[in-house]
Amino acid sequence: GAVVSQHPSRVICKSGTSVKIECRSLDFQATTMFWYRQFPKQSLMLMATSNEGSKATYEQGVEKDKFLINHASLTLSTLTVTSAHPEDSSFYICSAPSRGGNTIYFGEGSWLTVV
Amino acid sequence: GNSVTQMEGPVTLSEEAFLTINCTYTATGYPSLFWYVQYPGEGLQLLLKATKADDKGSNKGFEATYRKETTSFHLEKGSVQVSDSAVYFCALINAGGTSYGKLTFGQGTILTVHP
Repeated sequence: GAVVSQHPSRVICKSGTSVKIECRSLDFQATTMFWYRQFPKQSLMLMATSNEGSKATYEQGVEKDKFLINHASLTLSTLTVTSAHPEDSSFYICSAPSRGGNTIYFGEGSWLTVV
Repeated sequence: GNSVTQMEGPVTLSEEAFLTINCTYTATGYPSLFWYVQYPGEGLQLLLKATKADDKGSNKGFEATYRKETTSFHLEKGSVQVSDSAVYFCALINAGGTSYGKLTFGQGTILTVHP
């Protein structure tokens, strides 16, 4: 079964609203989680590293005020897309590494459509 | 920094044909290498992995061998099926240090198998 669960799997929202995506580790504690974004027919690009109990680390070019990341517990990280625009429509997926970092568990991914 | 280069797609094959998807990488140290598969409308699934030189990862008839001398991890399958149609991503990870848990993905190769 899944060891990392992501919710919602699909969401449609109106422009200007905010959307929250959750990523949960089910059987283990994840002090670090990662958020990726995938544009249609392109590869996955790392957006940010979510750190439990501290600020997220964002990759170059990713707006931290637009993509709010909160890692409030050892099993939950959330990504909030604020003031969403159609260009934010994408596939967002989270991952959590095993303790040694050699096994990466992915969530199911979330398809966001902004209309 | 780390990088992964995959052969450009899309790749179109007839059922039972032989498949090769090339993947080469650049990385510091001794990365672990992965192939992920993304079926239409779904998230990422780990297909196979190799953690050290000369290791062969295999799963569902797919194989890839970690070749340090050529910095390659080519994916092969002897006889593809229609159900193998998907996007395939080569990826690497350097466990530990500042790259802990971060995957670097190739650009993805779309495979379409016709009956």
